[in-house]
Amino acid sequence: DQQVKQNSPSLSVQEGRISILNCDYTNSMFDYFLWYKKYPAEGPTFLISISSIKDKNEDGRFTVFLNKSAKHLSLHIVPSQPGDSAVYFCAASGDNDMRFGAGTRLTVKP
Amino acid sequence: DAGITQSPRYKITETGRQVTLMCHQTWSHSYMFWYRQDLGHGLRLIYYSAAADITDKGEVPDGYVVSRSKTENFPLTLESATRSQTSVYFCASSESLGQAGQTSYEQYFGPGTRLTVT
Repeated sequence: DQQVKQNSPSLSVQEGRISILNCDYTNSMFDYFLWYKKYPAEGPTFLISISSIKDKNEDGRFTVFLNKSAKHLSLHIVPSQPGDSAVYFCAASGDNDMRFGAGTRLTVKP
Repeated sequence: DAGITQSPRYKITETGRQVTLMCHQTWSHSYMFWYRQDLGHGLRLIYYSAAADITDKGEVPDGYVVSRSKTENFPLTLESATRSQTSVYFCASSESLGQAGQTSYEQYFGPGTRLTVT
């Protein structure tokens, strides 16, 4: 069972516009959420995280929103840049468990 | 060099053979993890370790064995490789598993090992 779902396998946006990547989870024990970015032939790298005691965390162009009642989080990238083109993984942890989503491939077109 | 390294980066082996993937980290992180990445599944946790000599199963442990005699090393062994174990394997480390309210406890990933079982 996929406890963390990223329903959009891919997303394409124009440079300068907003990118919104979505993630849903099912396990109510998850209390910490992270986004990772992955370039080809490299390991994932941490991007931004949010604790369940918050509903928003911002770091430069990246903002993560958490809606606990809907078990949904999203990553906003504003403005999007061509260098943001990568696969983005959502991760959820809690109760000694960590699960990753299947990833969303973001393409930012110049 | 500081960081987390994996070896080999690429490996081709035959069905039934034993193969060991190595992982080494220089940060003295307590936690280490092994994931496999497959299309449509994202990253799935195979095993993790909270400290030397302490290991625990993840989501997909069958067919894999781990050990952790030293904090910095966390080898993953496929005792009898199968074609279904063809994948990209990532090792990661972190300071802790974290608790709600902590600012960050991200995992640091190695570059990956691409394993092909023929």
